[in-house]
Order: sequence, then C-alpha cells, then structure tokens
Amino acid sequence: GAGVSQSPSNKVTEKGKDVELRCDPISGHTALYWYRQRLGQGLEFLIYFQGNSAPDKSGLPSDRFSAERTGESVSTLTIQRTQQEDSAVYLCASSFFLAGVREQFFGPGTRLTVL
Amino acid sequence: AQSVTQLGSHVSVSEGALVLLRCNYSSSVPPYLFWYVQYPNQGLQLLLKYTTGATLVKGINGFEAEFKKSETSFHLTKPSAHMSDAAEYFCAVSAPNSGGSNYKLTFGKGTLLTVNP
Repeated sequence: GAGVSQSPSNKVTEKGKDVELRCDPISGHTALYWYRQRLGQGLEFLIYFQGNSAPDKSGLPSDRFSAERTGESVSTLTIQRTQQEDSAVYLCASSFFLAGVREQFFGPGTRLTVL
Repeated sequence: AQSVTQLGSHVSVSEGALVLLRCNYSSSVPPYLFWYVQYPNQGLQLLLKYTTGATLVKGINGFEAEFKKSETSFHLTKPSAHMSDAAEYFCAVSAPNSGGSNYKLTFGKGTLLTVNP
C-alpha cells in the first residue's frame, strides 16, 4: 500500500483480556517501530525490528507486552492480561534500512481502551 | 539519554499571524532533530529535520526551524498561519550511534496549534 496501515483503528476490551494489534509497513521498509501515545503525553518508544529480529526491546513496559514480525512484513503487538493503564494510542512506523538518518513513516494508530 | 521539552501544550494564533512553537532538547551527543505534525485521526507526518550542515532547515507547508546549539533549541516557525495548520506538533530527537545510524526517537509531549479566523 501507499502508507503504513494499522488495524484495528479502535479496540475496546475488558481488563484482563488479551489484545493483538497489527501493523502493515510500507513495502520495502526493513525497519519497523512501535510507539505508545498516552493521553497528554508524547510518544514512547516500545520496540524496534530490523527484518524479523528485534535488536531493541527496551521500551516494552512489562512482560505482558510482546511483539513479533514476519520477515520484512506484518508485525503484531500483543498485550496480555490488559490493564487500564494500557489504554493509549499505539503507533507503528517503518523506514528504509539506511545508515544515517532514517525517516520514519507513521501509521494512523490503534486506539486501545481498557475498561 | 535524550529528552525533549515543548513549551506550551496549546498555542492559539490568528490566521495570518506568526506561528512559533518552542522545543528544547538535551542530548549527550550531537543530535538529530525532527518536527512532526499530526492531524486528527491521522499518523504523524514529518515536517522537517536537522541532521548536519545548515542550521536553518526548511520543511513542508512553509514551516522552518533553526538549530541553535548554544540554546539547545529547535523552535518551529511559520510567518503566516493558515487555517489548515491547525494540528498537533511534536518535536523529537535522536542520537546517532557511532556508526552514524539512529532509530529511537524521543518525543516531546506535543503542542496543539489552534488557528482562529
């Protein structure tokens, strides 16, 4: 597609349930990033993929959060046993793998609400 | 570690007036600096970036920003606001590693720009 797409656009779930958020990067982009945007806050880095490996998972807030990527394609962010503090917009971005500055292209996000 | 401070969570200007959105950063190494814009229900879009070289950077939609190392600032300006500029603006910093590459963006909390007719 022309840009990064994410699904679902909105997700409402009950506390304690598991959720899966999907990201489709721009075709040909080898790098993929997940960020979280809580209300009134800037974006927080969660995890970075280069291909299907994740060199940096340092931003994942707890072991309830995990992510995987299939090749240089789709990524899924999974949150287990959701808590109310997980409510946020989850943004995905992708970029070409280039030394130097890599411009990150962002998707529209998934708004997660945990009741 | 890097950090970004955006002064003013909400800025309101009249159409045709100067837009000034403030950003200060901290970084232990020479940073790369970015401004992103987010329109309602859309992803972030890159407005402009500073990496090296000329400190005055021009971006899309008539925006520009100047990197001032002595002030650790990267303020965003536009001479004349347009109604279509109403959006949320995020300043971000990344610190390149020894290989010159970077990936992790640290964002400010954002500034919501309102343009009044």
